Amino acid sequence: EAQVTQNPRYLITVTGKKLTVTCSQNMNHEYMSWYRQDPGLGLRQIYYSMNVEVTDKGDVPEGYKVSRKEKRNFPLILESPSPNQTSLYFCASSVDPSGSHLRGYTFGSGTRLTVV
Amino acid sequence: EDQVTQSPEALRLQEGESSSLNCSYTVSGLRGLFWYRQDPGKGPEFLFTLYSAGEEKEKERLKATLTKKESFLHITAPKPEDSATYLCAVLGSNSGYALNFGKGTSLLVTP
Repeated sequence: EAQVTQNPRYLITVTGKKLTVTCSQNMNHEYMSWYRQDPGLGLRQIYYSMNVEVTDKGDVPEGYKVSRKEKRNFPLILESPSPNQTSLYFCASSVDPSGSHLRGYTFGSGTRLTVV
Repeated sequence: EDQVTQSPEALRLQEGESSSLNCSYTVSGLRGLFWYRQDPGKGPEFLFTLYSAGEEKEKERLKATLTKKESFLHITAPKPEDSATYLCAVLGSNSGYALNFGKGTSLLVTP
C-alpha cells in the first residue's frame, strides 16, 4: 500500500530534550515536506526537500532541522524543543513538488507532540 | 502575501441536504487550488486540484468549482460518512513549494 509513515504517533517530552520524528514513504517520491497544524492557524510548512541532500526552509523553520540522506526518509529534528512547538505534525510527499500531480500530496497520519 | 479564507467554519447538514463550502483566496499568480478532506486523527486526503477559472471537477457527491477569487465545494445529497474537515489550499507563483492552507470547514452530516 502506498503510504507515508510517521513515528511516533504521540510524544510527550520535556523542554530541551532533543527528539526526532521519523517519516518514510514507499512511493519513490522525490518531494517531501513537513507541516505543523495548530488550532486557528491551519497547516504551515516547516521544511521541504526536492530530492536527496536538497532541503529548504518553509514558512516556519525556526527551531527545526531536517535531513534527506535517502530518498524515502525525511526525519524532523527538534534540537531543543520548547512548549511553543507543541503541535500536530504532518509529513507529506509527492511526485510533483507543486502538488499538482493527479494524486496531490500524500500525508502521513500525524505526530501529536507535547512539550512540557 | 497569499491568503485563503474558508467559510463557514462549521456546517451541520441533515443527510440529503445539499450545500456548498466556500474558499476565498488572494494570490499572486495562481498555480493551483487544492481541496483536501481531513478526518479526525488523520492526515489530509487529496480531493481535487483546480488550475484556472471556470474549471470544475467532480468525485462522487463532491464537485469543486473555481473563479478568479474563490472556489466552491458543492456537496450533493451528503451522507454521514461525508462528515470531516475540508481544507482548501493555494499555491502561488511567489510561494515556492509551500501550499497556503485555509483553516478549514468542519462538516457534520446527521442521519
